[in-house]
Amino acid sequence: KNEVEQSPQNLTAQEGEFITINCSYSVGISALHWLQQHPGGGIVSLFMLSSGKKKHGRLIATINIQEKHSSLHITASHPRDSAVYICAVRFGTGNQFYFGTGTSLTVIP
Amino acid sequence: DTGVSQDPRHKITKRGQNVTFRCDPISEHNRLYWYRQTLGQGPEFLTYFQNEAQLEKSRLLSDRFSAERPKGSFSTLEIQRTEQGDSAMYLCASTLDISGYTFGSGTRLTVV
Repeated sequence: KNEVEQSPQNLTAQEGEFITINCSYSVGISALHWLQQHPGGGIVSLFMLSSGKKKHGRLIATINIQEKHSSLHITASHPRDSAVYICAVRFGTGNQFYFGTGTSLTVIP
Repeated sequence: DTGVSQDPRHKITKRGQNVTFRCDPISEHNRLYWYRQTLGQGPEFLTYFQNEAQLEKSRLLSDRFSAERPKGSFSTLEIQRTEQGDSAMYLCASTLDISGYTFGSGTRLTVV
């Protein structure tokens, strides 16, 4: 069964804190997406990676293929980072992505 | 081209009515996906087009649901005889290849 699990489900942080959101999956993947969803529904793609590490501004995404695990880190968190962060994976040569249930992040000033 | 557009943004309908949503993908993207998202859950796959061909449909897509992409550009998703359980956010995404998605803002359907 193709499964994607995220943790934590909810996260509250003080402004400036370093934040880590985790994603684990059950079988081998060919690609992993980190997505950001704000209230109202719009989804923005943050990263797409299949190995190693990517960085964009204060966001860092890492993936460990052997451990079937990825992390999204936010450095110097800010209230505008408050959103739901979703991990999505493509298993093997499949045509679609499977989504985790998301991590709801609230950053308090 | 400003991204993936979905219309309408919100739709409230009475149970039993038919509704149709539209998605305009990024013009050069040949793949188009429909997803459904309920509160507190991640998006669930409904169906996928490559150009005008509907190549994959989820078992979530009952016979009341139909999707088209007649000219390989915009797509429509129709729900017939809506039920309260159809209330959800319907998301469209497009991509040129499988490497990454661009999502629309979604259509939020409320069936009363």
